[in-house]
Amino acid sequence: KAGVTQTPRYLIKTRGQQVTLSCSPISGHRSVSWYQQTPGQGLQFLFEYFSETQRNKGNFPGRFSGRQFSNSRSEMNVSTLELGDSALYLCASSSVGAGGRDTEAFFGQGTRLTVV
Amino acid sequence: GQQVMQIPQYQHVQEGEDFTTYCNSSTTLSNIQWYKQRPGGHPVFLIQLVKSGEVKKQKRLTFQFGEAKKNSSLHITATQTTDVGTYFCAAVTGRDDKIIFGKGTRLHILP
Repeated sequence: KAGVTQTPRYLIKTRGQQVTLSCSPISGHRSVSWYQQTPGQGLQFLFEYFSETQRNKGNFPGRFSGRQFSNSRSEMNVSTLELGDSALYLCASSSVGAGGRDTEAFFGQGTRLTVV
Repeated sequence: GQQVMQIPQYQHVQEGEDFTTYCNSSTTLSNIQWYKQRPGGHPVFLIQLVKSGEVKKQKRLTFQFGEAKKNSSLHITATQTTDVGTYFCAAVTGRDDKIIFGKGTRLHILP
């Protein structure tokens, strides 16, 4: 079974530009979460999508947005990029276990975004 | 909002020494998960604890869930160089099924 696939792996953008990152979850997984990882802040939760609906949201500005398609693939968009947005962006998919609770999260390799 | 505190942030140990990382939540959890991220890699699931007071072992790794389901620990006995990485706890609340990660403990092994 294929794992979680994130594209692109690396990206360099200029301040003020926008960027779209893509995540293909494990087949059958309907929950997709996005995280920002920086050396000093660990894993910061951005948002979670489940069946095309945003189910949970972290404390990030409105420049960060996402969506999920009917095939569970998800995209994350960051507009008006700032230097501080440079980070590893990780996507994780999970299935829904008994009682509606997510099971373990399977992470992709991440997209390393550098804003210059 | 929900807070998950993980300590210590960094730990240097001599190879062969033991290592423990702790995770504390401000609220009662439905379950807690542990992940390991090797340098340059992505987090990989290790284990999930669900029951109050639960203890699980994986070879040299021992995972505990507190009686009140608000804290957890990961203990590694006799560390090896392959244990290098960052260990994250991830708390799952019952209210909204959100998975909240701690900031992780970075383990460095001195040869």
